[in-house]
Amino acid sequence: EDQVTQSPEALRLQEGESSSLNCSYTVSGLRGLFWYRQDPGKGPEFLFTLYSAGEEKEKERLKATLTKKESFLHITAPKPEDSATYLCAAANQAGTALIFGKGTTLSVSS
Amino acid sequence: ETGVTQSPTHLIKTRGQQVTLRCSSQSGHNTVSWYQQALGQGPQFIFQYYREEENGRGNFPPRFSGLQFPNYSSELNVNALELDDSALYLCASSYLSGTDTQYFGPGTRLTVL
Repeated sequence: EDQVTQSPEALRLQEGESSSLNCSYTVSGLRGLFWYRQDPGKGPEFLFTLYSAGEEKEKERLKATLTKKESFLHITAPKPEDSATYLCAAANQAGTALIFGKGTTLSVSS
Repeated sequence: ETGVTQSPTHLIKTRGQQVTLRCSSQSGHNTVSWYQQALGQGPQFIFQYYREEENGRGNFPPRFSGLQFPNYSSELNVNALELDDSALYLCASSYLSGTDTQYFGPGTRLTVL
């Protein structure tokens, strides 16, 4: 069964304290790995798409990487406005559905 | 460029009633997917529509049904509402079916009493 697991469930950081969020997946014929940011009560906001192992993408303080079994979202020198839930999702071979993890809730305090 | 919009924002229904949720896709997109997100969980895939045809379905009962219109907007219908149907319902649009990035709307919060 296709599955996506994110860790940790929650992460508290001080402003400027860099860290990484993990997304492990078991998906047959991965066709894409997606990262989204979700603020409370709102829809997910697209961040990155990764298609093949070794691929990396960056946006401001965020950098996403992909291996054959995992993806990491690295957050460098986070600010309080980076506080949100970060969702990882995988598209399987059929390519229609995104399979989501439960998310990592990040809190950054000043 | 107009993003994905959903209506209504919030909705309260009682058990056994029927509900219709609406979604307008982003300009240029021809595929709409619907997801259910329970509190504290990741979104769960309900189904996807591509050019007015159902293009994939998740593990949801037949009382969850949908439509896509020629302008690529979409409806999600849920019959015989149950308490467990209380959730945030998300619509996402993309161009072509497949792994093209799905862009989400703000969601409709459904509460079933």
